[in-house]
Amino acid sequence: QSALTQPASVSGSPGQSITISCTGTSSDVGGYNYVSWYQQHPGKVPKFILYDVNERPSGVSYRFSGSKSDNTASLTISGLQAEDEGDYFCCSYAGSGIWIFGGGTKLTVL
Amino acid sequence: QLQLQESGPGLVKPSETLSLTCTVSRGSISSRSFYWGWIRQPPGKGLEWIGSIYYRGNTYYKPSLKSRVTISVDTSKNQVSLNLTSVTAADTAVYYCARQAGEEGFDYWGQGTLVTVSS
Repeated sequence: QSALTQPASVSGSPGQSITISCTGTSSDVGGYNYVSWYQQHPGKVPKFILYDVNERPSGVSYRFSGSKSDNTASLTISGLQAEDEGDYFCCSYAGSGIWIFGGGTKLTVL
Repeated sequence: QLQLQESGPGLVKPSETLSLTCTVSRGSISSRSFYWGWIRQPPGKGLEWIGSIYYRGNTYYKPSLKSRVTISVDTSKNQVSLNLTSVTAADTAVYYCARQAGEEGFDYWGQGTLVTVSS
């Protein structure tokens, strides 16, 4: 299995909304509603911010939401804030106990 | 709050075996609801799932690494271990252990440990 495809970078101004896509295949993203997203600030540990496509763990801001259509999942961050700047990774279950991560997207808050 | 801590050598020679241990505290590794995973991140690059294990010993590995990876669990010590054989410079990465909440994903992560493969 190859890594899921994410844009290398996205940017937005404070207060705006941005969307990061995560494209896989019918064997992973398209085949299961088990897509999760992780936020990573430079030099820090990844943080679990969404699971099951659009569920937020306790304590994660409502500004983070997710969706999925066919083989592409998306993370939307609304009301962009400076603290949202960092790297974002998607991850999908691919069956038989196997997981695949996306290549990561660098978010810049202008 | 659950804590995970990776430990092991920070430098491994090419062709040798990388061995890491993850110690879980403030929680039981024998919980029926969770698996325990290893994930790595080469410097400046993305995350790569290596494999996961259930407390009963069921293992799942990334197909392209399967021939070189062994993950094991020691419930008496609340530890999970990773062995990666025949390492090369491409295996240089920060190695994380993480709790896998079923099919939900990886909800708790250790701080990570940098392993450099070099002679």
